[in-house]
Amino acid sequence: AQKVTQAQTEISVVEKEDVTLDCVYETRDTTYYLFWYKQPPSGELVFLIRRNSFDEQNEISGRYSWNFQKSTSSFNFTITASQVVDSAVYFCALSEAESGGGADGLTFGKGTHLIIQP
Amino acid sequence: NAGVTQTPKFQVLKTGQSMTLQCAQDMNHEYMSWYRQDPGMGLRLIHYSVGAGITDQGEVPNGYNVSRSTTEDFPLRLLSAAPSQTSVYFCASSPDASTDGYTFGSGTRLTVV
Repeated sequence: AQKVTQAQTEISVVEKEDVTLDCVYETRDTTYYLFWYKQPPSGELVFLIRRNSFDEQNEISGRYSWNFQKSTSSFNFTITASQVVDSAVYFCALSEAESGGGADGLTFGKGTHLIIQP
Repeated sequence: NAGVTQTPKFQVLKTGQSMTLQCAQDMNHEYMSWYRQDPGMGLRLIHYSVGAGITDQGEVPNGYNVSRSTTEDFPLRLLSAAPSQTSVYFCASSPDASTDGYTFGSGTRLTVV
């Protein structure tokens, strides 16, 4: 069965520091999708990125970057020059394309609460 | 284009009462799913549907029923509410897993007393 582990329950940094959120996953499928979602204090879930298992290229979007390594089953998320507005709970999630045809929803990690102090 | 709409946003139930959480999407998505979010637990899948007339159980289905009579609607029914069902419930939809993620509703905060 699939599993997503976010070992960091809470991280607190001072504004402008770089911070990396770890995500380790388990799956037996060779085709799968990995996601990151942001949940700000207002409670909604905001989609950040999707990566499929055949695309190991790292991605950068402004201050955000993602490092996908199949060899270590990790999909880590780095925020560069953090800002107070980055304070939120961040979830890593997995969808299996083969076992469930991609239709059977997402398996989430327990989330990392990121606190950016001014 | 409203996306995924969940109603109500807040609800308080007494133990033993039943109710239906509504979820509607206007994006013609085939895949829909329900999650519950509890502190420190992340989101856990309750039920999901791959299209009208087709539903299946997720990780934590006990105490919940679903149906999918139309593509647009995917209601979640609590048959006899229990305090353990106090949670925040999210509905999500997606055209398929290969697109840019699932669209989530804004959530329903349910308290069972």
